[in-house]
Amino acid sequence: DAGITQSPRHKVTETGTPVTLRCHQTENHRYMYWYRQDPGHGLRLIHYSYGVKDTDKGEVSDGYSVSRSKTEDFLLTLESATSSQTSVYFCAISDSQGSSPLHFGNGTRLTVT
Amino acid sequence: QQQVKQSPQSLIVQKGGISIINCAYENTAFDYFPWYQQFPGKGPALLIAIRPDVSEKKEGRFTISFNNSAKQFSLHIMDSQPGDSATYFCAASSQGGKLIFGQGTELSVKP
Repeated sequence: DAGITQSPRHKVTETGTPVTLRCHQTENHRYMYWYRQDPGHGLRLIHYSYGVKDTDKGEVSDGYSVSRSKTEDFLLTLESATSSQTSVYFCAISDSQGSSPLHFGNGTRLTVT
Repeated sequence: QQQVKQSPQSLIVQKGGISIINCAYENTAFDYFPWYQQFPGKGPALLIAIRPDVSEKKEGRFTISFNNSAKQFSLHIMDSQPGDSATYFCAASSQGGKLIFGQGTELSVKP
């Protein structure tokens, strides 16, 4: 799976609690992405990173923040989880921006009760 | 203008038949059109991709047909097998841009 590890794989949390999801890569790729997958919506980009400490928003960034202090790690934080953030979250990496394939992790299933 | 519209949402095909999934886009700056395959519990994996300089690309039983003037592209799976049962996503991006995904198609191939 292209050297991408997401943790945890499953998490159940309560509304209002903070949650952090971790993505770790061993490919030394510059670009890292967080997507959420929901039925009928496909994969929607939350945030992405184009280098250490360089991040930017995607199309559904409200309620989420990210950090990248090392090339290999990209963290996604839900500051105060809501039920609408119940989803499957995927991390992806690529070695270039735009016309380049993404390699995905196996996802984190998050349930907010 | 950034949307990629995918159809059908679900598809049932008999073993040995042809599976066809269609996508349409609006942004004429898109120049990379990949298809991803996803099995339950796994992340999407790149299946096949095409660029606008060709109208068709074939890899084994999988073919992408591309119509730049109509702004449409499609995935054909020939001789569909039960092992092809998965969710398929089309996507598009422009140089320096980010991939925009379609809504996904859940394919079921019946034995």
